[in-house]
Amino acid sequence: DAGVIQSPRHEVTEMGQEVTLRCKPISGHDYLFWYRQTMMRGLELLIYFNNNVPIDDSGMPEDRFSAKMPNASFSTLKIQPSEPRDSAVYFCASSLNQGQETQYFGPGTRLLVL
Amino acid sequence: GENVEQHPSTLSVQEGDSAVIKCTYSDSASNYFPWYKQELGKGPQLIIDIRSNVGEKKDQRIAVTLNKTAKHFSLHITETQPEDSAVYFCAAILYSGGGADGLTFGKGTHLIIQP
Repeated sequence: DAGVIQSPRHEVTEMGQEVTLRCKPISGHDYLFWYRQTMMRGLELLIYFNNNVPIDDSGMPEDRFSAKMPNASFSTLKIQPSEPRDSAVYFCASSLNQGQETQYFGPGTRLLVL
Repeated sequence: GENVEQHPSTLSVQEGDSAVIKCTYSDSASNYFPWYKQELGKGPQLIIDIRSNVGEKKDQRIAVTLNKTAKHFSLHITETQPEDSAVYFCAAILYSGGGADGLTFGKGTHLIIQP
């Protein structure tokens, strides 16, 4: 199994630009999570999906952030417009339903907004 | 919502000694407590977990204990080795009816194994 795949691994952009992060969950997993990691705030849940449907987006910082899951094997997290305070590592994780709680994390996307 | 406190933020131990990391949680209804290890440049990886109906769980050199009354749980690593150096995160969550939810993480502990 290839595990959770994220792209790009690194992204450097200028303030005001649109940023799109991508995630491919483990095949067969019903849940997909987006987390953000910073030194100040640690690991924070942004949003999660169950069977491609967004369930809880209360962690999304503001309207500049949006996430989609058009099918079971792909999700995007978009920031538009980006700001320097969005600089962080963004992780995608997936897990099985049926009481399987283990969340498997991808390698993360390190975002730097100048 | 759930709030998880983790201590210490940095822990340095001699190779071969034991390391203990402690976490407290706020929601008494939480019933699943995983521990993740994050190596530099990688995503967190699950190393051990415990459910609220169990007081202790072991897996080779690592063990986790849970005190539901006090709402705290701890990670114990014995006979530490250089490859144990990493950042460790505790987390807590309430699972019900087979549904998954997002994890609430502690702030992490940077474990340093001194040769």
